[in-house]
Amino acid sequence: AQSVTQPDIHITVSEGASLELRCNYSYGATPYLFWYVQSPGQGLQLLLKYFSGDTLVQGIKGFEAEFKRSQSSFNLRKPSVHWSDAAEYFCAVGTGANNLFFGTGTRLTVIP
Amino acid sequence: DGGITQSPKYLFRKEGQNVTLSCEQNLNHDAMYWYRQDPGQGLRLIYYSQIVNDFQKGDIAEGYSVSREKKESFPLTVTSAQKNPTAFYLCASRYTGGRENEQFFGPGTRLTVL
Repeated sequence: AQSVTQPDIHITVSEGASLELRCNYSYGATPYLFWYVQSPGQGLQLLLKYFSGDTLVQGIKGFEAEFKRSQSSFNLRKPSVHWSDAAEYFCAVGTGANNLFFGTGTRLTVIP
Repeated sequence: DGGITQSPKYLFRKEGQNVTLSCEQNLNHDAMYWYRQDPGQGLRLIYYSQIVNDFQKGDIAEGYSVSREKKESFPLTVTSAQKNPTAFYLCASRYTGGRENEQFFGPGTRLTVL
């Protein structure tokens, strides 16, 4: 069965510091992987996605993620966090049925 | 502008009443989805539809019903059989022409049952 684990419920970083959000997945086939961001009371916006090819993918707002098959991970990174990055971040795995399975999310707080 | 609209943004209902949440998209997407979001639990799939006049249950379909009479619309009814309906509900759609396409989300409806 497919599953997604985001081990960090809440992360606090200082503005300008680097960020890494962890995501581990379990899926029997080659996964389609996504990172979404959600501001409070809003819908989800796609940050980036991985399907095949280069394992380092670039997304919007300066985010990137690296797919590591050996570790079943798809961690999200940003070199310098801005106050506007404060939000909740969700990792998701897509299956052959084209449905998405989401992790429980990581809430990011940015302090000045 | 193309996108997904959900209405209303906030909805209050008395316990025991059915309520219908609206989801409309003008992206010409074939597939549409309904998710429920609770704090600390991520998103859970309620129902999805890959084509007009067809839909499938997701992981937590009990107490919910849907219809897909038009490509653009996928309303969700929360029935009185849903034991804990207070939650944030998100609708999404996806273009099915390729294998790898992401889902696009609406702004959500927060339902509170009093």
